[in-house]
Parts: sequence; structure tokens; C-alpha cells
Amino acid sequence: KAGVTQTPRYLIKTRGQQVTLSCSPISGHRSVSWYQQTPGQGLQFLFEYFSETQRNKGNFPGRFSGRQFSNSRSEMNVSTLELGDSALYLCASSLSGTSGRGSYNEQFFGPGTRLTVL
Amino acid sequence: AQSVTQLDSQVPVFEEAPVELRCNYSSSVSVYLFWYVQYPNQGLQLLLKYLSGSTLVKGINGFEAEFNKSQTSFHLRKPSVHISDTAEYFCAVTRVASYGKLTFGQGTILTVHP
Repeated sequence: KAGVTQTPRYLIKTRGQQVTLSCSPISGHRSVSWYQQTPGQGLQFLFEYFSETQRNKGNFPGRFSGRQFSNSRSEMNVSTLELGDSALYLCASSLSGTSGRGSYNEQFFGPGTRLTVL
Repeated sequence: AQSVTQLDSQVPVFEEAPVELRCNYSSSVSVYLFWYVQYPNQGLQLLLKYLSGSTLVKGINGFEAEFNKSQTSFHLRKPSVHISDTAEYFCAVTRVASYGKLTFGQGTILTVHP
């Protein structure tokens, strides 16, 4: 079974531009979560989508947005890029994204998209 | 809200020596606990998880962790490390019945020297 794929793997943009990153989950997975990884702030949760609906959201400004398509593929968009947006953006997919007592649907991570803002 | 503190940012160790990577968490609700590993230029891979039951959890690559509720800790251990264990390790928690959100510690870089 193919893993989580993210495109592109590397991206260079300039301040003020916008960018769209793509994530294809493992076949059959319906939940996609996005994380930002930086040396200073570490790994931070951006948002989670399930069946084209955003169910959970982290503490990021409105410049960060996402969506999910009917085939569970997800995109995230960052508008008006700032230098501080330079980061590794990871997406993770799971069957349903939910956890109950004694059960958990594991999140499988993609390799990430390295975004550099100049 | 949940928070995770990894007590060591870097841990150097010699090959075949034992290692412990320390993790403390804070949460007012029930959580699940995880350790992930990240190799250079790769995503995260799950090493092990604690959901319930036995407090000693065994994972892949010979790693194990012990959940200590009274000390709110979840330390990762390996009795004998290899060069290939050199990587960054992340402790994480998620609230029971949550949607997708993992809260991570700052990471511990484990460097295994020959």
C-alpha cells in the first residue's frame, strides 16, 4: 500500500506570495491532518479534515487555510507569505482521525514539503 | 490543553550503550501518549503508543517506554543502541476522543557514536 505523498517536496517563494501544498493520503484513509515544523516552535498542529469538513484547528492566523476533496486528498494554502512561514509542512492521514477509549487510529506521516520564504 | 516537555534537547551516547529519553506531559483530561522518530529529510514514524492497560509499552526497533501516571512521565528507553538509531525523537500526546490533533514535545536529538 502506498504511503502518504506530499507535493512538491521543496518550494521556494518570496514574501507576499501565496503557496498551495498538496497531500494524498493512504488509500482508504479519510482524515488528513497538517502540521508545521520549525526549529523554533517545533511541531505544531494546523488543522484536520474529514469528509471534506474541517473538524479541528490549531492556533494559526487566517492566512493558513486548507480544504479536502471528495477523494480525501487535501491541500493547504498560505497567503501573503512571511519569512517566518519557512518550515517543513507535514501531513498525516488516518482512517478516521478519531480516538476513543482504548482505541486509536494511527496517523501516518508523509515526508513533508520544505517551504523556504525569501 | 495539553503540553509536552522533553527534558533533553540532545543526548549523545556510544554504540551498544543504554539510553533513556525523558518526556513529561501535562493534561487535565485523559490522553494517549506516543513516541515518534524522525530521520533526516523524512516524516515521522510511530515507535510506540500507550492507550491503556500495561504501563510498559514495547515498540519497534527494540524501544520501550513506561507510562507513569503519578509522575506524568512517559520515558523512552533502549537497552543497547545502534548507529542507525541516530535521529530526532518526539514525544506526543492526544486527548482521548479528539480529532487528529497531536501535541508534540520539542524533540530530542539522539546521536549514537561508534
